[in-house]
Amino acid sequence: GAGVSQSPRYKVAKRGQDVALRCDPISGHVSLFWYQQALGQGPEFLTYFQNEAQLDKSGLPSDRFFAERPEGSVSTLKIQRTQQEDSAVYLCASSLGRAWNTEAFFGQGTRLTVV
Amino acid sequence: KNQVEQSPQSLIILEGKNCTLQCNYTVSPFSNLRWYKQDTGRGPVSLTIMTFSENTKSNGRYTATLDADTKQSSLHITASQLSDSASYICVVSAYSSASKIIFGSGTRLSIRP
Repeated sequence: GAGVSQSPRYKVAKRGQDVALRCDPISGHVSLFWYQQALGQGPEFLTYFQNEAQLDKSGLPSDRFFAERPEGSVSTLKIQRTQQEDSAVYLCASSLGRAWNTEAFFGQGTRLTVV
Repeated sequence: KNQVEQSPQSLIILEGKNCTLQCNYTVSPFSNLRWYKQDTGRGPVSLTIMTFSENTKSNGRYTATLDADTKQSSLHITASQLSDSASYICVVSAYSSASKIIFGSGTRLSIRP
């Protein structure tokens, strides 16, 4: 596709429910990032993939958060047993090369509300 | 600790006026600094990217400066338009670590007619 696509755009989950957020990066992009953005704040790093390899997951806040990119393209961020503090916008970004020296393109995000 | 601090937190100016947004950072080892524009409900969109050796870069009415010695950057917007209303986020990357891509909290800019 022309850009990074995320789905769903909005998700309302009951506390304790599991959710799965999808990211379709730009075709051919090697690097993929997930970020969490609270209202009025900048994005906070969650995890990073280079192709199918998850090279850094140091930002995942708890073991309830899990991300995968099995074929090096589409990625899924899964949150188990959601809690109210998980409410945020989850942004996905992809870049052609390595994380620190190539342009990163962002999707529109998924707004998760846990009630 | 790697940090990116932006000021002001919010700014309101009249259409047609100029403004300057500030970014101070402590990220090390420094790789590059980027300014992003984020419209409400959208993902960030890149405006400029600068490496250590670059001290100014322009993109239309946006001009970014970088002083690597003082670890400061600014984003200057000329002849503001209503469509410039958005959050502007400063992002600093360190070499060798994907997690060391540090985002500032942004400056919320509002342009009034």
